[in-house]
Amino acid sequence: AQKITQTQPGMFVQEKEAVTLDCTYDTSDQSYGLFWYKQPSSGEMIFLIYQGSYDEQNATEGRYSLNFQKARKSANLVISASQLGDSAMYFCAMREGRNNAGNMLTFGGGTRLMVKP
Amino acid sequence: SAVISQKPSRDICQRGTSLTIQCQVDSQVTMMFWYRQQPGQSLTLIATANQGSEATYESGFVIDKFPISRPNLTFSTLTVSNMSPEDSSIYLCSVEDLQGHPYTDTQYFGPGTRLTVL
Repeated sequence: AQKITQTQPGMFVQEKEAVTLDCTYDTSDQSYGLFWYKQPSSGEMIFLIYQGSYDEQNATEGRYSLNFQKARKSANLVISASQLGDSAMYFCAMREGRNNAGNMLTFGGGTRLMVKP
Repeated sequence: SAVISQKPSRDICQRGTSLTIQCQVDSQVTMMFWYRQQPGQSLTLIATANQGSEATYESGFVIDKFPISRPNLTFSTLTVSNMSPEDSSIYLCSVEDLQGHPYTDTQYFGPGTRLTVL
């Protein structure tokens, strides 16, 4: 079974509007971390936001917020006020294990976001 | 945050040759990871590289094909050996446990090396 599922291979959003990128995960661990990365066409992976499984508040970083619904095992990324520069691939990733640090990340298949002017 | 650099940024190689990719971090880190991203695909972990010990390889990746060095806490190399067109990918290193950074359990990535094998 897929550990990280991103069901939207591609999405369009109008500039200045908000967009939600879906991510569901599968783990039996109680302690885990969820990440979102942005990959522009240049290929670099840019860290956006992190949510720990025990964090009670949804993570926010500027225009990025993570809608964490633990019971549903979903960690959707919300981008507010989309900008043309937000056009990129977005990857959801998870790290499992009691000691989060030092464990590998498992990535979803990615969502290509295209922002329309 | 730490600065992570990779060399080369891109290369075009002939089949049967080898390429060594370097990853340099401007601060000491405990964990370094090497990932592969084949065209149109997601990232797959090749191996975990800790200083002073042998790299740990994931299923489907072997040391003879992807030898890794980790001579100190700021540097690592990945070699892609006896290359074939199927090795054409972006290779990314990532680091964790950045000293002094608030997100001590976040992985940060280098800019990647885009490899094309003819």
